[in-house]
Amino acid sequence: SQQGEEDPQALSIQEGENATMNCSYKTSINNLQWYRQNSGRGLVHLILIRSNEREKHSGRLRVTLDTSKKSSSLLITASRAADTASYFCATDAQNTGTASKLTFGTGTRLQVTL
Amino acid sequence: AAGVIQSPRHLIKEKRETATLKCYPIPRHDTVYWYQQGPGQDPQFLISFYEKMQSDKGSIPDRFSAQQFSDYHSELNMSSLELGDSALYFCASSPEGDTYEQYFGPGTRLTVT
Repeated sequence: SQQGEEDPQALSIQEGENATMNCSYKTSINNLQWYRQNSGRGLVHLILIRSNEREKHSGRLRVTLDTSKKSSSLLITASRAADTASYFCATDAQNTGTASKLTFGTGTRLQVTL
Repeated sequence: AAGVIQSPRHLIKEKRETATLKCYPIPRHDTVYWYQQGPGQDPQFLISFYEKMQSDKGSIPDRFSAQQFSDYHSELNMSSLELGDSALYFCASSPEGDTYEQYFGPGTRLTVT
């Protein structure tokens, strides 16, 4: 069953604007991760936020996590054309202390135009 | 830095044929995961290995099998291929310890005709 649902499914913005993508999930998690995928290419790890963290920053990326609402958001500030890609959230739901399988959301297709 | 290596990068097979996909994890990574991504779909977990033992299993068909070898590389064997098996197959690896990040390879694009 689908763990993560993302919205919007598609987002089109102009270069320089901010892009916000949201992800909701259903079960308790160890952590939530965001990945980027250029069309038909590999998945690039962007950022990981643990279940006991509420906000994390990495460069132009800002991730928030609300475990009470089982939701997360990814904000990309000052977007660039090179940010055009699909963005997936993925949850690690197993409390074993080691990495376990990731359950991916449906993805948001971001288009950044000049 | 070394990344996850997958081979081949592209593979074309006919229905009912077999295919073997290989994955070479990042050095000193002891856990390997396999994911399948159909066209326009999100990646779906297939199977994982930790220290050469199967650690978790997802929606992997019985026609597929996988193993992790003593040098930590892994192979996904797919038999009696069907048109619906056409997809991107990703391998990911993660290191031992309390890090949860998975590092993905570039994927193998399998096309079944």
